[in-house]
Amino acid sequence: SQTIHQWPATLVQPVGSPLSLECTVEGTSNPNLYWYRQAAGRGLQLLFYSVGIGQISSEVPQNLSASRPQDRQFILSSKKLLLSDSGFYLCAWTPITGANVLTFGAGSRLTVL
Amino acid sequence: AQSVTQLGSHVSVSEGALVLLRCNYSSSVPPYLFWYVQYPNQGLQLLLKYTSAATLVKGINGFEAEFKKSETSFHLTKPSAHMSDAAEYFCAVSESGANSKLTFGKGITLSVRP
Repeated sequence: SQTIHQWPATLVQPVGSPLSLECTVEGTSNPNLYWYRQAAGRGLQLLFYSVGIGQISSEVPQNLSASRPQDRQFILSSKKLLLSDSGFYLCAWTPITGANVLTFGAGSRLTVL
Repeated sequence: AQSVTQLGSHVSVSEGALVLLRCNYSSSVPPYLFWYVQYPNQGLQLLLKYTSAATLVKGINGFEAEFKKSETSFHLTKPSAHMSDAAEYFCAVSESGANSKLTFGKGITLSVRP
């Protein structure tokens, strides 16, 4: 069966520090991968999605970037965090074919101080 | 373009009462529709999905939703609320077909009173 892992689960970082959140999927090949951010009272915002290694699409301009160095690995990064980067970050995947059912990781809560 | 509207941010029901969470969508093509549930500090879990088959869709934990094209709605219901249903619920829409991205509503927090 397929599983998705995200880490770290919780992170407290000072303003201006770098960020790296990692997501890996097991039990499938060629998944579509997504990073969402959930801010309080604002629902889910799609940040990045990827349909293959090295292929990243950005949905909104921001202080963050994403990379997909391997088929089942998706990394969210920042060189210098802002206070507004605080939130709950969710990685998700869908199979390359099918009914677009997103399967989410457990999330990473980032607090920027 | 597609969008989802979930009116209100919070619904409170008594244990054993009917749960009704509303969702209206906008899509220029036949949609796929989804309901997800999120418990505190966890990821989202799929409750049910509509993908152009039966308009009444049954999901996990006793929830169901009915696709009504004429009303552009996909409301979520459960006949009898349980304390464990307290969570945040998200409606989402995508275009039919593979590789279409989901657009989420802002979510509704369901509280269940004993």
